[in-house]
Amino acid sequence: DIQMTQSPPSLSASLGDKVTITCQASQNINKYIAWYQQKPGKAPRQLIRYTSTLVSGTPSRFSGSGSGRDYSFSISNVESEDIASYYCLQYDNLPLTFGSGTKLEIK
Amino acid sequence: EIQLQESGPGLVKPSQSLSLTCSVTGYTITSGYDWSWIRKFPGNKMEWMGYISYSGSTNYNPSLKSRISITRDTSKNQFFLQLNSVTTEDTATYYCASMQPDYWGQGVMVTVSS
Repeated sequence: DIQMTQSPPSLSASLGDKVTITCQASQNINKYIAWYQQKPGKAPRQLIRYTSTLVSGTPSRFSGSGSGRDYSFSISNVESEDIASYYCLQYDNLPLTFGSGTKLEIK
Repeated sequence: EIQLQESGPGLVKPSQSLSLTCSVTGYTITSGYDWSWIRKFPGNKMEWMGYISYSGSTNYNPSLKSRISITRDTSKNQFFLQLNSVTTEDTATYYCASMQPDYWGQGVMVTVSS
C-alpha cells in the first residue's frame, strides 16, 4: 500500500492568512492526488483532483501543486468558512489511501 | 443530481456482520463509475474499503479482503456493504460514494458493542 504522510495535524490561522498542507507519498504517485474538505457532520467534499485541478465550485483561493512523491495544498486568504479538516488521497494505486488529516482552526 | 444515501443498523454486536445499503438516485449505477465504501474512524483516520464497478466487478482493500463483500441490486439501484466478524475496531462512520466524480452520502455511524 502507498502511505500518505500528511502534515501538520493541525493549523491555527488568522483570517486572510495563507496556509499550506503537505502530503508525501511513500512512492511516486504520478500526480494522482486529490484534496478533500470535511466539515463536522458532513461528508468529505473534493476540492482538487490530479494535483492542481480545481473541482467545479471550488473557490480560487484553494490551490495544489507537486509531483513525484511530494504534494502541497494551500488556502490563500483564509476565510471563516474554511474551518474544517482537510485530507489528501492518492488514487494512483489501489488500495486508495488517505493522509491522516489536518484540522484548520481560526485564531 | 446524483444523490447517495446510506442506511443500516447503528449498533452491531461483536463477531456479527455489519450490513449497510447505499441507495443511489439521479444516476443508474450500471451506467458508469465505481461505487465505493469508505469509513472514518473516531480518531479521524479514513479508510477506503472497496468498490463495485458499474460492470459489477469488485475490488477490496487487502486489509479487509477476508471479511468484506460489496454487492448490488441493479433493479433497486442500490449497492451493499457486508463486513463479517466485526470487532470494536470497526466502529466508524461509513460512507458510500462515487469518488470520481465526487458524490458522497451523508454517512452512517456504526458502533460495534455488546
